[in-house]
Amino acid sequence: YELTQPPSVSVAPGQTARLTCGGNSIGSKIVHWYQQRPGQAPVLVIRDDKVRPSGIPERLSGSNSGNTATLTITRVEAGDEADYYCQVSLSRNEPFVFGPGTRVTVL
Amino acid sequence: EVQLVQSGIEVKKPGESLKISCKASGYRFTTSWIGWVRQMPGKGLEWVGLMYPADSGTTYSPSFQGHVTMSADRSNATAFLQWSSLKASDTAMYFCARQTGIIDVFDLWGQGTMVLVSS
Repeated sequence: YELTQPPSVSVAPGQTARLTCGGNSIGSKIVHWYQQRPGQAPVLVIRDDKVRPSGIPERLSGSNSGNTATLTITRVEAGDEADYYCQVSLSRNEPFVFGPGTRVTVL
Repeated sequence: EVQLVQSGIEVKKPGESLKISCKASGYRFTTSWIGWVRQMPGKGLEWVGLMYPADSGTTYSPSFQGHVTMSADRSNATAFLQWSSLKASDTAMYFCARQTGIIDVFDLWGQGTMVLVSS
């Protein structure tokens, strides 16, 4: 099972970034999103398709339907510049499958 | 504070053995899973394996099965990832991460351990 993510997205401050994660019938799976700022460990920003963990700003939201899951970042800030990875679980033997990641650049 | 603190950078030669650690604090170590994730230089995240410290049950990615071993010391709330014979291709950052509950998601990550393998 392969997850696809665009390698890069560029967005101006204050605008909206939409990061996609494609997969066959991904809407039938649970999708999680991680943010990895340069030189740092990943941080969970969206779990269970659309749930924000404590401390994650409301500007980040998630959705999942059909063959595409989406992480939306509104009112983009310089601090949103990072790599974003989607992740699904396929089975007990393959619980963590990561997408290739999307690098968000804030112009 | 709830955190995972990993051991420091390691520089090794091919063929050498290595054991890196991940110490948990601020939560009950035996009621969560600990996973390991590899990130090769400039690349994405790859799942290595998952361990349940309460009973030492393990699941390995097929890509890593037989090359690494996960273990845990429940008395010190510490998880380990070890190699018996390193290869240059093992050069990477290795993160430990916590899974809480039955949903396969990592809600807490360690800061990472850089492993450099070079002759």
